[in-house]
Amino acid sequence: ETGVTQTPRHLVMGMTNKKSLKCEQHLGHNAMYWYKQSAKKPLELMFVYSLEERVENNSVPSRFSPECPNSSHLFLHLHTLQPEDSALYLCASSSSRGEQYFGPGTRLTVT
Amino acid sequence: AQTVTQSQPEMSVQEAETVTLSCTYDTSESDYYLFWYKQPPSRQMILVIRQEAYKQQNATENRFSVNFQKAAKSFSLKISDSQLGDAAMYFCAYRRGETSGSRLTFGEGTQLTVNP
Repeated sequence: ETGVTQTPRHLVMGMTNKKSLKCEQHLGHNAMYWYKQSAKKPLELMFVYSLEERVENNSVPSRFSPECPNSSHLFLHLHTLQPEDSALYLCASSSSRGEQYFGPGTRLTVT
Repeated sequence: AQTVTQSQPEMSVQEAETVTLSCTYDTSESDYYLFWYKQPPSRQMILVIRQEAYKQQNATENRFSVNFQKAAKSFSLKISDSQLGDAAMYFCAYRRGETSGSRLTFGEGTQLTVNP
């Protein structure tokens, strides 16, 4: 069983669509993260949840809406996205020891 | 704010040879962790090695080892006996303390090519 899973792996959506990305961790971790990875750019941290509470929101536009219903699941709800939002979205989880383990990512294309 | 710098956008190495990837960081914290992650073409980020700042001994993990110079704020990765499967983007990352939910700060990455 892979530690951190993400679905879907690929997503193409129009600017008026609403979709959600899902992340699930099977590692017993208590923190989860969303990152955005665009071409030629470092990973950008979007949101951090610790013990199901959002502890960090890095000035992410409101068209991205995270949800963490429990310590194993993390969602990223998307609506009215822009073409520049096309990127690889990575989910990660960690324990207090610090290592973050990443999912395989969702490749998002906004048309 | 913490920053992580990888000054080598690209590196190449011959198969079976040794290569060193550089990373420097800036922090005023005394308690922190440093990591190297590997991202192959599959885009899956894989943890390669971890170093606790309070440990003087350099971390090793099979063919991967680090040279951690705390005073110089340097954290290089050495890959010995390079293999074709080592070809990937390598990211150096910093994490403050041991608090759940602490952010990772990543460098811009070094693209490693392994030549047969």
